[in-house]
Amino acid sequence: AQSVTQPDIHITVSEGASLELRCNYSYGATPYLFWYVQSPGQGLQLLLKYFSGDTLVQGIKGFEAEFKRSQSSFNLRKPSVHWSDAAEYFCAVGKYGNKLVFGAGTILRVKS
Amino acid sequence: NAGVTQTPKFQVLKTGQSMTLQCAQDMNHNSMYWYRQDPGMGLRLIYYSASEGTTDKGEVPNGYNVSRLNKREFSLRLESAAPSQTSVYFCASSSRDEQYFGPGTRLTVT
Repeated sequence: AQSVTQPDIHITVSEGASLELRCNYSYGATPYLFWYVQSPGQGLQLLLKYFSGDTLVQGIKGFEAEFKRSQSSFNLRKPSVHWSDAAEYFCAVGKYGNKLVFGAGTILRVKS
Repeated sequence: NAGVTQTPKFQVLKTGQSMTLQCAQDMNHNSMYWYRQDPGMGLRLIYYSASEGTTDKGEVPNGYNVSRLNKREFSLRLESAAPSQTSVYFCASSSRDEQYFGPGTRLTVT
């Protein structure tokens, strides 16, 4: 069965500090992996996606993620967090953009 | 280009009432989806439609029905609302590579 695990429900980081959000997946075929961000009261916005090729993918807003097949992971990183990054982040896996399975989400709080 | 639109934004229902959530997309996508979002559970797929005229159940279809009215529109109906259906509902449409989400409908059932 397909599943996504985001081990951290909440993470708090100081503004300017680095960030890593963890994502582990279970998928029977070649995974297509996504990170979405949701600001309070808003819909989901795509940050980045991995389909194939270079395992380090760059996204919007200075985010990047690294696909590690051996660890079934797709962790999201940002070198320096801004207060505006406070939001909920969702990792998802699927076949292309169809029928995605989402993780439970990680809420990021940014301390000033 | 509005993307994915949903109406209404907020709704309060009493137990047993019915309502329809509307969704439309202007990106000419074949596939459309309805999700519900509950705290600590991420987004769970209720129903999806791979193309006009077809619909299929997702992970949590009980208590819901859908209609793919045409390529643009995909509605979600609650025939007899229950408190367990209190949630935020998102509609999405997808190209081959990505899903695009609407702003959501916050539904409370009392």
